[in-house]
Amino acid sequence: EAQVTQNPRYLITVTGKKLTVTCSQNMNHEYMSWYRQDPGLGLRQIYYSMNVEVTDKGDVPEGYKVSRKEKRNFPLILESPSPNQTSLYFCASSPPGGAPGLVGSYNEQFFGPGTRLTVL
Amino acid sequence: AQSVTQPDIHITVSEGASLELRCNYSYGATPYLFWYVQSPGQGLQLLLKYFSGDTLVQGIKGFEAEFKRSQSSFNLRKPSVHWSDAAEYFCAVGDQAGTALIFGKGTTLSVSS
Repeated sequence: EAQVTQNPRYLITVTGKKLTVTCSQNMNHEYMSWYRQDPGLGLRQIYYSMNVEVTDKGDVPEGYKVSRKEKRNFPLILESPSPNQTSLYFCASSPPGGAPGLVGSYNEQFFGPGTRLTVL
Repeated sequence: AQSVTQPDIHITVSEGASLELRCNYSYGATPYLFWYVQSPGQGLQLLLKYFSGDTLVQGIKGFEAEFKRSQSSFNLRKPSVHWSDAAEYFCAVGDQAGTALIFGKGTTLSVSS
């Protein structure tokens, strides 16, 4: 089954304790992205990756790191979590774009089930 | 800057009644537009998308949306709502760089019996 998986689904942690949220897709997509969802704010992009070893910041990258060493995996790293990073996190991947020559988000994104993170 | 506005934060519709969720976008070129649905505790599922061509697009679960360039709108419609349609709905536009989806803040749909 084509899917995007995230682990863990739920996590409660304390301020300053490093954590990693894993994301994996089995659709051979080049583009992957992380979003956070907060009430009243919708989804905002944290980081994205256009391909292996190619990553860049989204709208809200502060306090986060990512890596893309393999096409299928795109982990999100919080080196020193703070309470303002309490949120619902979604990983997404996307096939090549809806028109020839277009890649990345010019096509639908397939979302993982989400990771609910609470930082105390 | 590109943006998406969903004017209605919360809408309540009677089961069997018609539904229209509004979405307005700000974008300089031909937009790539999407509607996603998020059921409680679930991830986001694509309902439909518009890239080009026919301005009325059909999606899953009986939803449709109409792209109106003159009004910068991409409203979502359904002729008869079912209780299972209760969820949060997000309109999104692909940004010009092709690197992100720009989401609206969402509209929560409640269905009354």
